[in-house]
Amino acid sequence: GESVGLHLPTLSVQEGDNSIINCAYSNSASDYFIWYKQESGKGPQFIIDIRSNMDKRQGQRVTVLLNKTVKHLSLQIAATQPGDSAVYFCAENRFRSNDYKLSFGAGTTVTVRA
Amino acid sequence: GAVVSQHPSRVICKSGTSVKIECRSLDFQATTMFWYRQFPKQSLMLMATSNEGSKATYEQGVEKDKFLINHASLTLSTLTVTSAHPEDSSFYICSARGRNNYGYTFGSGTRLTVV
Repeated sequence: GESVGLHLPTLSVQEGDNSIINCAYSNSASDYFIWYKQESGKGPQFIIDIRSNMDKRQGQRVTVLLNKTVKHLSLQIAATQPGDSAVYFCAENRFRSNDYKLSFGAGTTVTVRA
Repeated sequence: GAVVSQHPSRVICKSGTSVKIECRSLDFQATTMFWYRQFPKQSLMLMATSNEGSKATYEQGVEKDKFLINHASLTLSTLTVTSAHPEDSSFYICSARGRNNYGYTFGSGTRLTVV
């Protein structure tokens, strides 16, 4: 069935460099996407979101890009810090079974090297 | 900002017993709550969706008689794992959403270990 997925399961990045995490989705009807950060033993933490009527949104040190043509979502983290080490999930807000529900991608583990 | 409190954070129980997990929205009315299960190094898998005052809607493959969900008020939902078995050991996470379809707030999760 349709699902949200991530291209790479792991990403190792040097402290201070920029990180790019990718996500592919397959439901062209989805209108809202969210990036979450999850640290070990904790619940997902909201990072940034974007609606389908936008192609770019910026936050503090983070940028989300949405390419609806190829159904691709990315998260860019500027000047990656050790505290950015975590698992990152993209989530897609889909309407099914009479309600909107989030579907999560497989996750990318980001490790920041000092 | 919106806050969801989930308790307990960790629980160990014996096989055959039942365990209740609570999820509370502290500063908003959660018209819809979601329960997820997450196995180690895997993603979050939606188990069920509940609307206040209604029966929960379970995802395919999730046993509704084993995972009892109650959403009796706009601020509280509970998940009860009945007759727990070691294979039910997992990380359970709740999420709450208010009246719009875009604001999701997650709890901190419950680590369940069945021995």
